[in-house]
Amino acid sequence: DAGVTQSPTHLIKTRGQHVTLRCSPISGHKSVSWYQQVLGQGPQFIFQYYEKEERGRGNFPDRFSARQFPNYSSELNVNALLLGDSALYLCASSWGPDIQYFGAGTRLSVL
Amino acid sequence: GQQLNQSPQSMFIQEGEDVSMNCTSSSIFNTWLWYKQDPGEGPVLLIALYKAGELTSNGRLTAQFGITRKDSFLNISASIPSDVGIYFCAGLINAGNNRKLIWGLGTSLAVNP
Repeated sequence: DAGVTQSPTHLIKTRGQHVTLRCSPISGHKSVSWYQQVLGQGPQFIFQYYEKEERGRGNFPDRFSARQFPNYSSELNVNALLLGDSALYLCASSWGPDIQYFGAGTRLSVL
Repeated sequence: GQQLNQSPQSMFIQEGEDVSMNCTSSSIFNTWLWYKQDPGEGPVLLIALYKAGELTSNGRLTAQFGITRKDSFLNISASIPSDVGIYFCAGLINAGNNRKLIWGLGTSLAVNP
């Protein structure tokens, strides 16, 4: 069975550009969460979606947005990229609200 | 952002030794989770704890949910080289429809064969 899949695996952008990251949850999971992990730190919660509705939002600026599609896959969009947005972006899926299973992440580098 | 207090920050041990790490918080959590993350990979769930006082094992790993619901520990017995990695604790906050995981900063474990 496929786990959580994220694409792309690596991405290089320049300041001011925008980026779209994609996530496919484990089959049967209806909830997707997004996290930002800066090197040397734990993941920071960005968004959670359940049944295509936003169920949680972390302390991130409005430049960050996300959505969930009818097939439960999700996109994370970041506009007007800053150097500080460079991080590993993790997607996690869950059937219920508790246990979350993570993908391998997308490594974003902003130059 | 909000984070849990996880200690120690790093450990360097000999193969075969036991390891203990813990997380504390000023907030009460409904669920505690322990994850392991290898370089370049996403976190992998090790143990989930749902009730205060709960003690759960997964092979050589044992974790407990503190009675106060504000802390948890993870023990690894008879460490082996593949235990190397970063271990994270995470606490689940339920606030109505808003559910999110709050994470510790991680414990980096190195095992000398």
